[in-house]
Amino acid sequence: AQTVTQSQPEMSVQEAETVTLSCTYDTSESDYYLFWYKQPPSRQMILVIRQEAYKQQNATENRFSVNFQKAAKSFSLKISDSQLGDAAMYFCAYRAKAAGNKLTFGGGTRVLVKP
Amino acid sequence: IAGITQAPTSQILAAGRRMTLRCTQDMRHNAMYWYRQDLGLGLRLIHYSNTAGTTGKGEVPDGYSVSRANTDDFPLTLASAVPSQTSVYFCASSDSFGQGAKNEQFFGPGTRLTVL
Repeated sequence: AQTVTQSQPEMSVQEAETVTLSCTYDTSESDYYLFWYKQPPSRQMILVIRQEAYKQQNATENRFSVNFQKAAKSFSLKISDSQLGDAAMYFCAYRAKAAGNKLTFGGGTRVLVKP
Repeated sequence: IAGITQAPTSQILAAGRRMTLRCTQDMRHNAMYWYRQDLGLGLRLIHYSNTAGTTGKGEVPDGYSVSRANTDDFPLTLASAVPSQTSVYFCASSDSFGQGAKNEQFFGPGTRLTVL
């Protein structure tokens, strides 16, 4: 079974600074997707960024970028120029293409942004 | 309505009682999902449905049942609630259950359930 591990329960960052969230996963599959979801206090789950395993180029979405290391099974999220609105829980998630659309989530990392 | 709605927003329930959490989507998505969110464990899949008329078990299905009579609705039922089912429940949907590049899951606002 696939597992997703987020080793940092909480991270703190100064406004305008950069923070990196770590995520590792375990799988025997070669073709899969990885995602980062943001959950603000409103509880809504918001897709931040996705990465396809066969694409070597790291995905970027504005201030959010990933460092995807397939051999190491690592998928970290970098938030640049942090803003107060970035404060939230962040979840890493995995989906094997062969497993339909079922997501496996990590335990989450809480990001605090200090003004 | 637009997107996914869930009802109720929150509920306190006595142990042993039956409870149905409702989920409706208006995006005509084929696939729907139920997750529970517990502190430190992220979201775990309870049940899913790839298309109307079919359902499947996820990671933590025990104590829960689902039905998918039509495309839009995917209710989750707790036949006899227990305190360990205290959690936040999220419904989600996606356009397809296939292996396509997108298939982004859209989430509802969640239901906070407390079983005493």
